Amino acid sequence: DGGITQSPKYLFRKEGQNVTLSCEQNLNHDAMYWYRQDPGQGLRLIYYSQIVNDFQKGDIAEGYSVSREKKESFPLTVTSAQKNPTAFYLCASSHLGVGGEAFFGQGTRLTVV
Amino acid sequence: GQQVMQIPQYQHVQEGEDFTTYCNSSTTLSNIQWYKQRPGGHPVFLIQLVKSGEVKKQKRLTFQFGEAKKNSSLHITATQTTDVGTYFCAGLTGYALNFGKGTSLLVTP
Repeated sequence: DGGITQSPKYLFRKEGQNVTLSCEQNLNHDAMYWYRQDPGQGLRLIYYSQIVNDFQKGDIAEGYSVSREKKESFPLTVTSAQKNPTAFYLCASSHLGVGGEAFFGQGTRLTVV
Repeated sequence: GQQVMQIPQYQHVQEGEDFTTYCNSSTTLSNIQWYKQRPGGHPVFLIQLVKSGEVKKQKRLTFQFGEAKKNSSLHITATQTTDVGTYFCAGLTGYALNFGKGTSLLVTP
């Protein structure tokens, strides 16, 4: 089945540790996105990428890093510099440009203790 | 980044009542998309509007795109309990897809 997969669904980490969230898609989409969702805050864009080896910062990129070494994969690292990392993280992908509906993964709920 | 504002933040209706959520952008949008997120789930695409003044319908849902392409609305006629969830609008700026904060709809039987 085609789709976008995030893993794991739940993740627990100790404060001060970096953690990497996985996002894989087999939809042959060029564009991929990472969003953070907090209660009452909607979806805030962290990073996005239109093409392999290229990505741009979104509105809340501080404390996060990404890579796009393959078209199918767009992992997000939550670094120890991120002050409030506990959140629900959503990855999405789409075709480029106008008309590109975004397909979302199931999300990863990260809890830092 | 682009500001996409949505109101209201929450709406509680009795089953059978109508519901409307509004989306406003600080800049002209090339298109606007609407998504629904069920409790505990992930956002799912509903529709995209591209043309100025465009109106699209999906059964009880009516979507409108303003003449200036800076605002949009989603209207649900005669809500049902299956309509419960958060409705998001999203606007594309370049290749960045920016979402509003969403409107959470609660429907009481």
